[in-house]
Amino acid sequence: QKEVEQDPGPLSVPEGAIVSLNCTYSNSAFQYFMWYRQYSRKGPELLMYTYSSGNKEDGRFTAQVDKSSKYISLFIRDSQPSDSATYLCAMSEWGTGRRALTFGSGTRLQVQP
Amino acid sequence: KAGVTQTPRYLIKTRGQQVTLSCSPISGHRSVSWYQQTPGQGLQFLFEYFSETQRNKGNFPGRFSGRQFSNSRSEMNVSTLELGDSALYLCASSPSRGDENIQYFGAGTRLSVL
Repeated sequence: QKEVEQDPGPLSVPEGAIVSLNCTYSNSAFQYFMWYRQYSRKGPELLMYTYSSGNKEDGRFTAQVDKSSKYISLFIRDSQPSDSATYLCAMSEWGTGRRALTFGSGTRLQVQP
Repeated sequence: KAGVTQTPRYLIKTRGQQVTLSCSPISGHRSVSWYQQTPGQGLQFLFEYFSETQRNKGNFPGRFSGRQFSNSRSEMNVSTLELGDSALYLCASSPSRGDENIQYFGAGTRLSVL
């Protein structure tokens, strides 16, 4: 079983919809939680990051972390066609010296105009 | 502030050859990590360098190696290339203080092994 599970999609929504992207994980040492957006043939672009539990909002994006359930989410409000990309969750440990990111497999999102 | 720069962007090699990829981190960042991205395995960690020392290593064979220079620039080398080494190789850099776990990625080098 993978340390981080993410539904690969594809997820197709109409423009203006609220999008919910999720990941589950099994490693209790994960303390940093990140969301990256990757367009085709480009490198991952950091969207948001959260340390430990809680919510974080940045414009149309909201990240949530529920450590008790080992579940993280990214919400995109008022989705735009330009949001069409692959969204990757990533996590890393804190205090163990292991800073490597462990990624989910990515969810491909298509926002239809 | 310039982002992470990787060169070259594309490479075509044949089996058995070796290849060297280069990465310049964000100015002021001293930690550089390398990842391999393939359709089947996704993004997998190769290794991390900090102050010219390898600090962490992933589960890749010894054919994959790297180094970091005093200006924090890093290179990755793959020897005796195999067809399965075809992938997008990504470099990421992290701040030295504060959010050291947050990694910023370059555009990657796409390697094709024929």
